[in-house]
Amino acid sequence: QKEVEQNSGPLSVPEGAIASLNCTYSDRGSQSFFWYRQYSGKSPELIMSIYSNGDKEDGRFTAQLNKASQYVSLLIRDSQPSDSATYLCAVIPPNAGNNRKLIWGLGTSLAVNP
Amino acid sequence: KAGVTQTPRYLIKTRGQQVTLSCSPISGHRSVSWYQQTPGQGLQFLFEYFSETQRNKGNFPGRFSGRQFSNSRSEMNVSTLELGDSALYLCASSLGLAGVAQYFGPGTRLTVT
Repeated sequence: QKEVEQNSGPLSVPEGAIASLNCTYSDRGSQSFFWYRQYSGKSPELIMSIYSNGDKEDGRFTAQLNKASQYVSLLIRDSQPSDSATYLCAVIPPNAGNNRKLIWGLGTSLAVNP
Repeated sequence: KAGVTQTPRYLIKTRGQQVTLSCSPISGHRSVSWYQQTPGQGLQFLFEYFSETQRNKGNFPGRFSGRQFSNSRSEMNVSTLELGDSALYLCASSLGLAGVAQYFGPGTRLTVT
């Protein structure tokens, strides 16, 4: 089982709709979670970080964390064509001390159709 | 504050050659991580440096090496290049050891012919 799993997509949504991206992780006890956006040919860009159960909102983006169910999701409200990109989920596993490193999902491709 | 910079942005090398890539982190960031990204493989972790010491290493052969200088700038070296080394090499900096958010540079696109 992969440590961080994401549906590869493509996820296709119409402009103005809510895009919902999901990520599950295997290491119970993971504490830090990140969402990155990567446009084709570009480097990943940090969108949000979340550390506690519940929702965290930043503009049109909402990250949702459920540690009991071991998933983290990203909602994009009022989706725009400019949101079309690959969204990467990254997780810090527990109990790794100074050897902690981000574990990355393969990403979900999102296409927002005008 | 200036972002992470990487040089060169593009490189074309032939098999058997070696290459050195450079990364300058965000001012004040002491941790630098390197990743290889290829289509279908996602981000593959190479290594992380903090205070000039390698703190973490991924599953890559010894042909891949790196170092960090006292000003936190980092270099990675790939010797005896193979066709499969063609990839986007990304550097990311963070304030501390991985566990906090990482900020990526634009990457170096390496093509091995």
